[in-house]
Order: sequence, then C-alpha cells, then structure tokens
Amino acid sequence: DSGVTQTPKHLITATGQRVTLRCSPRSGDLSVYWYQQSLDQGLQFLIQYYNGEERAKGNILERFSAQQFPDLHSELNLSSLELGDSALYFCASSVGRGDNSPLHFGNGTRLTVT
Amino acid sequence: GQQVMQIPQYQHVQEGEDFTTYCNSSTTLSNIQWYKQRPGGHPVFLIQLVKSGEVKKQKRLTFQFGEAKKNSSLHITATQTTDVGTYFCAGGGSQGNLIFGKGTKLSVKP
Repeated sequence: DSGVTQTPKHLITATGQRVTLRCSPRSGDLSVYWYQQSLDQGLQFLIQYYNGEERAKGNILERFSAQQFPDLHSELNLSSLELGDSALYFCASSVGRGDNSPLHFGNGTRLTVT
Repeated sequence: GQQVMQIPQYQHVQEGEDFTTYCNSSTTLSNIQWYKQRPGGHPVFLIQLVKSGEVKKQKRLTFQFGEAKKNSSLHITATQTTDVGTYFCAGGGSQGNLIFGKGTKLSVKP
C-alpha cells in the first residue's frame, strides 16, 4: 500500500461530460502529481502541485484543470470529455518539491468515455 | 521538449534468461529513478541513482547510471515469472519534474 488514495477506481461517462478525480497524498507528502496512462502507453505527465501551488505543467489539455487544497488533497477536473480521454489517471505524491524525490503512486482511476 | 527514450519497448524471455532495458536522455539528468508496474497495477518505485557512474544492486537487479549522467540501464539476472511487468525509467526534467520513458514491457515464459 503506497499510502496514496485515489477515488473513484472506475468512472464511465459519456462524451461531452465533466468528471472530477480525487487524490489524497501520502501523509507528510507536499507534492501531488497527475499522470495519464493510455493503453500500452507510458506515463504522460499532466501537472504538479506543491503545498497548494502549481509547480510544473506538462501536456495538460485546456479542458483539464487541477488544484490542490489546503489539506493537500488534489482534484483533477476533466471537461468536455472525448473518446480519446479514456485512460488510466494516476496520482502520485512525494515529500519534496523537485525531481529528486521518489514518487508514490495511487492505484489510479480508470476513466472510460463512451 | 525534453525526452527520455527507453528501449526496447517489449522483451520476451525464457525464465532463467537475463534481461536488460536501456534509458537515454539528450540532456544531463540530475538523477534517474526506476519504477516497476505489474500488470493491472500502479508504478512502484525501485531505486534512485544520483552520482555519475553509480551502480546499485537489489538481489538479481543491477542498475547503472552513465558517466555523463545521460543514460541508465536496468539488468535482471536469471529472470523469474515474478519479474513480469513494465519497467520505467524517469529522469529529472528541466522544470524540476520527472520525465518518464515509455517503459519496457517484460514477459517471462516459464
């Protein structure tokens, strides 16, 4: 158990809809990262928050947004969903701010857009 | 943008054979990390290398970081069925975030 909690585990929704994925980091970790993993694909970095502030941005679409709350949990909002958004979305947390801290991944949220 | 290339994409081996995956970056990395993702699971941190030329071992797994800190390798000796999964390398990006390679999917035939 990594200590990172992601909900829900599965999400099935229709095109054009909006969903929210939630992540609680490991106790003591200040950084939260969001990654997208499509079938047989690698991990695409979306965005990182550190102690409530956005720290790094990857290939995140404008239809996607995220935030980290004062209690350090994070939410990833996906709107105007398209079929191609179907993927596994991982949240990870780390104790540090930069790239030197190992990441601890949650079990992921599998999103299916029909 | 900054990329971390990983080869091969797939590797099928007979149980007992050795396995190696390679990771290359066009830029110098501050550190390299390796993760393993079992089928249906999430990536799990294996190890971090920081120093130029560093070599670390974990039982049958040997990790190396190149002298120029631009490449790395993971070698598994005498693979077992429990080694099945996808192995990812991840290097420190220019924004201070980790850039993951696409991974090497290892299958082991008993």
